[in-house]
Parts: sequence; structure tokens; C-alpha cells
Amino acid sequence: DAGITQSPRHKVTETGTPVTLRCHQTENHRYMYWYRQDPGHGLRLIHYSYGVKDTDKGEVSDGYSVSRSKTEDFLLTLESATSSQTSVYFCAIRGADRRANYGYTFGSGTRLTVV
Amino acid sequence: GQQLNQSPQSMFIQEGEDVSMNCTSSSIFNTWLWYKQDPGEGPVLLIALYKAGELTSNGRLTAQFGITRKDSFLNISASIPSDVGIYFCAGLLIQGAQKLVFGQGTRLTINP
Repeated sequence: DAGITQSPRHKVTETGTPVTLRCHQTENHRYMYWYRQDPGHGLRLIHYSYGVKDTDKGEVSDGYSVSRSKTEDFLLTLESATSSQTSVYFCAIRGADRRANYGYTFGSGTRLTVV
Repeated sequence: GQQLNQSPQSMFIQEGEDVSMNCTSSSIFNTWLWYKQDPGEGPVLLIALYKAGELTSNGRLTAQFGITRKDSFLNISASIPSDVGIYFCAGLLIQGAQKLVFGQGTRLTINP
């Protein structure tokens, strides 16, 4: 097991409510990423982090914010959930070691439904 | 933004058949990766390619990094039921935070 967990695994929320998804790693990896997966789009990057308190936007960052106050946790927040944010959200981690094959390790995902 | 075009989007084959899928891009990548996703799980890395022209195998899987650095293909030989899933190509630029760009995925279904 790669030591990455996402919580919750499933969530249903109402439009307009704030939602926070958590990604926790035990690998002490520097880089963490949030992706969303939708049919026909593959995985699209929302936000990523390259260290504690260091984050940047991905290609679909509107409506999302992130925080990383410690190495092991990367939080994704939907400030005011909309139905277009219904999706499966994946967290990924990657170490800075070039021998790591540059391959990300993904969590098992959070299925979010906004009604 | 950068986009990867993956084809086909879906495949329906008989057990034992060979499978081929490919990915093309308008951008040059330093690394190509192929992932497989099982239902209810995150993608898992199958093969990583680091040099143009590189051909790499992992059991029944073979993948190649195109000479132009803008394409890659994945072949699966003698398919078995556990090959069912969604396959993603991904391109990686070795700079900064090394963000992966994913293709849309190929959904593989196998009839026994």
C-alpha cells in the first residue's frame, strides 16, 4: 500500500454548501495533486502543492481552493458547491527523487455528488 | 492548455485477442506514462517511457515512446479478463512541479 488515503470516499451535498475533501499521505512526499475525473475528459488537474504552504492552480481551478499546512495533508475545498462539481476526485503524490520513475501514486478517490 | 488525444475511446474484444491503443499530442513531452484504472480505484502505473523511440515491455504489455515525442502507443497481447478497465496515457514535462497531462482514457471490455 502506497500510504495515501482520501476521505470521505463518498459524499452527497447540497448546492451552495461548502465541502472539504482530505488527502493524507504517510510517504513524506513533497508533491501532492488534486485531480477530478469526468467521463470523456480523463483526469484534469485542479490544484497542486510543491511543499508546505506552497500551492498553485491547475487547469480547472475555478471554484476550488486548497491548503497544505503540513506535509502529510492536502485539503481541497469547494467554497460553494455547484452541480458541475459533481465528479470523482483523486489525490496523487510524488516524491522529489528522480529514481521514482516520475510516476504519481493515486488515492482511491472521493465520489462527490452535488444535488 | 495541453491536450492528449487518446484512441479508441472504447474497445470490445474477445478474450485472447491483442489490443492496441494510442495517444497523440500537439506538445512535446519528456516522459510518457500508461496507467490502468479498475472500477472504484485510482489509476495505477503500468509503464513509464523516458526516451524518444524507447520500447518497453511489462509482461504482456508493450509501450513505445514516439520518435517525435508527441505520441505513444500501448499494446496488450493475449488479453485476459483481468485486463478489463480504463487505460490512460499521460504526458509529463520534466520541469517545475512536473504536472501530468492525461488522455481521455480507453475503456476495455472483454467478452469471455
